[in-house]
Amino acid sequence: NAGVTQTPKFQVLKTGQSMTLQCAQDMNHNSMYWYRQDPGMGLRLIYYSASEGTTDKGEVPNGYNVSRLNKREFSLRLESAAPSQTSVYFCASNGRESSPLHFGNGTRLTVT
Amino acid sequence: AQSVTQLDSQVPVFEEAPVELRCNYSSSVSVYLFWYVQYPNQGLQLLLKYLSGSTLVESINGFEAEFNKSQTSFHLRKPSVHISDTAEYFCAVSRTSGTYKYIFGTGTRLKVLA
Repeated sequence: NAGVTQTPKFQVLKTGQSMTLQCAQDMNHNSMYWYRQDPGMGLRLIYYSASEGTTDKGEVPNGYNVSRLNKREFSLRLESAAPSQTSVYFCASNGRESSPLHFGNGTRLTVT
Repeated sequence: AQSVTQLDSQVPVFEEAPVELRCNYSSSVSVYLFWYVQYPNQGLQLLLKYLSGSTLVESINGFEAEFNKSQTSFHLRKPSVHISDTAEYFCAVSRTSGTYKYIFGTGTRLKVLA
């Protein structure tokens, strides 16, 4: 039972570099989400995908892009990393909009 | 619009003592309510949820929460905590219909002291 798998677990980038965070779920869920977690700010939604082929902006989408590659996979791309994007990133999924979220273990990203 | 407020950022409590973690929400539409727990270096896990029916919901590890519509609260309680309950706890709301919007509180760090 893998659930939600995120790669990589850790990453250090220099300002201006790009990278893609990968997320895959094996629960046949329709909806997938990307959050960032910062101290004292809880979780903030970056982007979500209610179903395969659709994506929508969340609270803090600036500086990010997403791709819902298929039903299983939802990637988050930073085109030009900035120190303000230093954070822990979580991918999550659920089967219906109101059902509980299943989270991955996170990617800890540092931008220097 | 919805919002979730967790007033306490940190709660220290001695082992075997009771604890209450407070959560208040604001919403113009019907919502579902959730508590999630996050252990160090892990993702969030569902602790318990209120969807409908009985306003008192319980988890398998002794936590309970009561939905109070008039006070728009969903406080989390445990009568006797263990060291292993040390974690961060997040309250969240989700609309019952319409476009998805899960909103999380800022979290409460529970530290259980020996």
